[in-house]
Amino acid sequence: KNQVEQSPQSLIILEGKNCTLQCNYTVSPFSNLRWYKQDTGRGPVSLTIMTFSENTKSNGRYTATLDADTKQSSLHITASQLSDSASYICVVSERVRFGAGTRLTVKP
Amino acid sequence: GAGVSQSPSNKVTEKGKDVELRCDPISGHTALYWYRQSLGQGLEFLIYFQGNSAPDKSGLPSDRFSAERTGGSVSTLTIQRTQQEDSAVYLCASSSLAGGGTQYFGPGTRLLVL
Repeated sequence: KNQVEQSPQSLIILEGKNCTLQCNYTVSPFSNLRWYKQDTGRGPVSLTIMTFSENTKSNGRYTATLDADTKQSSLHITASQLSDSASYICVVSERVRFGAGTRLTVKP
Repeated sequence: GAGVSQSPSNKVTEKGKDVELRCDPISGHTALYWYRQSLGQGLEFLIYFQGNSAPDKSGLPSDRFSAERTGGSVSTLTIQRTQQEDSAVYLCASSSLAGGGTQYFGPGTRLLVL
């Protein structure tokens, strides 16, 4: 069973709208949680990294939240752009456990 | 500065042949990871090198897969007697802190086994 579960598996939104992607994990012990963006045919690019003591971290229009008690994280994208269309992957350390990703498509 | 580079970018091989994939990490990064991403699937961890420590090979899917890292820098992932199910994108990443640092990914090698 995957120790990192992401939802939804795929999402389609209109340009300019906001969206929230979810990541639930059972990995223990836990040192940090990262969100990556992966464009089609490219390697993943880091968006945010949070330790267990951090609740929120922003990177431009991307805001990640973390609740270490419930083992849940979310990635909120504000005012989506066409270039946000990509896969978003949640990664939990220790021992580097990946979620399967959420495929986001932003339509004009 | 230069990022993680991988070669070749694409590789087509026949079933049963051996292949070698190369990764050049960012200079000074002590940690190096290999991952596999099959079409439409998430990233699958394969192997992790950290400095001179014994590598974490727990993600290698079979004994046909092996990897080495020479001189703490360049790494080679070898797949022996390739099978069609080995077709995937093989990604390499490096980081500067063991287990906790941000991983910087290479562009990947797209392997197709016919």
